[in-house]
Amino acid sequence: AQSVTQLDSHVSVSEGTPVLLRCNYSSSYSPSLFWYVQHPNKGLQLLLKYTSAATLVKGINGFEAEFKKSETSFHLTKPSAHMSDAAEYFCVVSDPPYSGYALNFGKGTSLLVTP
Amino acid sequence: IAGITQAPTSQILAAGRRMTLRCTQDMRHNAMYWYRQDLGLGLRLIHYSNTAGTTGKGEVPDGYSVSRANTDDFPLTLASAVPSQTSVYFCASSDSAFKAAGYTFGSGTRLTVV
Repeated sequence: AQSVTQLDSHVSVSEGTPVLLRCNYSSSYSPSLFWYVQHPNKGLQLLLKYTSAATLVKGINGFEAEFKKSETSFHLTKPSAHMSDAAEYFCVVSDPPYSGYALNFGKGTSLLVTP
Repeated sequence: IAGITQAPTSQILAAGRRMTLRCTQDMRHNAMYWYRQDLGLGLRLIHYSNTAGTTGKGEVPDGYSVSRANTDDFPLTLASAVPSQTSVYFCASSDSAFKAAGYTFGSGTRLTVV
């Protein structure tokens, strides 16, 4: 099965500084990759998705991610962090067809934004 | 408003009791999924359904069962709850089981088994 590894369980940045959340994936197929965000006690919101079109994917709230096949990476970035960005972020890959393209989640990265 | 409705929002359940978590979508999506979320583990797939009448096992199916009698409903049943099933449960749907289309998630059910 495909899988993802989020390299940092916690990331802390100052407001106004860049955000980098790292994600590596393993896949025997052409993967579809996603980043989801979950604010405290809330549901999951799709930030962006890669589905074999442009390798640089722009999402909501100023986030973007670049698909790098040679590095098997799909890191999430934002030029300038805002206090409202503090949340849990999940890198996600779609599973092979035998499981109905269910999503395979990483364990999450908790982003803390300090004033 | 189109989307997924999960019920109940939260529940405290005695160990050994039977419980059904409800999930209903109004988007006519073919594929539906149940995940559980546990701290430090992300979301893990319990069961899925590619289309009405079919179901499959995910990563952590033991102790859970599902049915898909129609397109809209995908209930998750705990036959005899155990404390390790304490978790937040999310139902999700997708308009196709054959490509990584957009997914919609419900708001979750927080279940505590005591």
